[in-house]
Amino acid sequence: DQQVKQNSPSLSVQEGRISILNCDYTNSMFDYFLWYKKYPAEGPTFLISISSIKDKNEDGRFTVFLNKSAKHLSLHIVPSQPGDSAVYFCAASVAGGFKTIFGAGTRLFVKA
Amino acid sequence: KAGVTQTPRYLIKTRGQQVTLSCSPISGHRSVSWYQQTPGQGLQFLFEYFSETQRNKGNFPGRFSGRQFSNSRSEMNVSTLELGDSALYLCASSLMGAKGNTIYFGEGSWLTVV
Repeated sequence: DQQVKQNSPSLSVQEGRISILNCDYTNSMFDYFLWYKKYPAEGPTFLISISSIKDKNEDGRFTVFLNKSAKHLSLHIVPSQPGDSAVYFCAASVAGGFKTIFGAGTRLFVKA
Repeated sequence: KAGVTQTPRYLIKTRGQQVTLSCSPISGHRSVSWYQQTPGQGLQFLFEYFSETQRNKGNFPGRFSGRQFSNSRSEMNVSTLELGDSALYLCASSLMGAKGNTIYFGEGSWLTVV
C-alpha cells in the first residue's frame, strides 16, 4: 500500500539549473508534508515542510509546492549545486496518525 | 543541541541470533519512531513510541519489537534474525510525533545478517 509515491528513481540536472522532484500521494487525510535529503551512510536530513493549509513554502534555494486537488507536491531546488547530489525522500503524515510515511526516494545527480 | 544518537553504528550478526539497537532522542523530544531501509526501498515504518507507549506499528512480523523508557530513550529488538533483516535501521525523534511535527533522524545502525 504505497500511499506516497516518487515515480522517478533518478534525475540528472546541470549545475546552476533548476531541479524539480515530484511526489504523489493517495491519502487525502495527509495534512503535513516533508522533504528529506539523504547521503550514503548517513541518516536522512530534514529539508523543508509544508502544511496542507498552504500551497507553497520557501527556504533559501528550496521551495515546496503543494497541489491538494491533484494530491501532488514538488520540491524545487534553484540553483542546483553538485553538493545537492543525494537521494531525496518525500514524506507525509496525518494528524493523530503517529507515523510519517515515506516515498521510495529519487536520486538526484547534479553535474558540474 | 545534540541530535538523535544511535548505537551501535555497525554490527554483524548470524542468522537465528537476536539484536538490540539503541536510540537516544533529541533532548526534549518525547516521540521516537523506528524505520527500516533496505537497498532499493524507501523508509519502512516499524513503530512509534510516546511516553513509553507504542502508538502505532507498521507491517512487520512479531520478531520486531521495541520499547521506550521513562527518559524517552528507545530500543528495538529483532529476534531470530533472517538474512532479509540486513538493513539500515533508523531512529527518529520529534516533540509530539507526526502531528504536524517534523521528525529528525539519527545516523542509523547498519545491521548485516550472515
